[in-house]
Amino acid sequence: GNSVTQMEGPVTLSEEAFLTINCTYTATGYPSLFWYVQYPGEGLQLLLKATKADDKGSNKGFEATYRKETTSFHLEKGSVQVSDSAVYFCALTLTNAGGTSYGKLTFGQGTILTVHP
Amino acid sequence: DGGITQSPKYLFRKEGQNVTLSCEQNLNHDAMYWYRQDPGQGLRLIYYSQIVNDFQKGDIAEGYSVSREKKESFPLTVTSAQKNPTAFYLCASSMTAVLTNEKLFFGSGTQLSVL
Repeated sequence: GNSVTQMEGPVTLSEEAFLTINCTYTATGYPSLFWYVQYPGEGLQLLLKATKADDKGSNKGFEATYRKETTSFHLEKGSVQVSDSAVYFCALTLTNAGGTSYGKLTFGQGTILTVHP
Repeated sequence: DGGITQSPKYLFRKEGQNVTLSCEQNLNHDAMYWYRQDPGQGLRLIYYSQIVNDFQKGDIAEGYSVSREKKESFPLTVTSAQKNPTAFYLCASSMTAVLTNEKLFFGSGTQLSVL
């Protein structure tokens, strides 16, 4: 079946440190890949996405590149801030050859990030 | 403000009791979803609905039921058949179910606990 595996957390960093959160996936067919973020007390919100191999998604200083050869979609940020403290979820949806998906997102287990001043 | 409203924020269930979690959206979205969030396990899909009067089972539908009689509402009932209901429940919606092009909008969740 389809699955997403994220690096074990929690991750604790000092402000301005470099961040990597690893994400690998197993999927049949053509997945699109996403990172969602959940800030304390809030629902999840989309951070970035990539819909085909070698695409790079980016938003708010975060980046992730869709690597088909390593089945990975690692999240990176060059300099984290205290306000980045949240839970980060990697997710995939399967698409057909035409690039459309049908309503199911599969999530990883989430990685808790805490950034200290 | 447009968004997704889940209620109640906290809910307690007695043994053998059915409880219903509310989810309402005013975003005019066609698709709605229910996820269960357990510590260390991420989100798992319970049910989803691509359009009003239609819904499909997700990965862990046993012990749950849903209805989609109105576009803006997608209530989830946790039945007595669900033996381990304690979890955080998240409702979400998207403009359409074609998730390559859409993003999910999430509510702030309901924490269900068993007394």
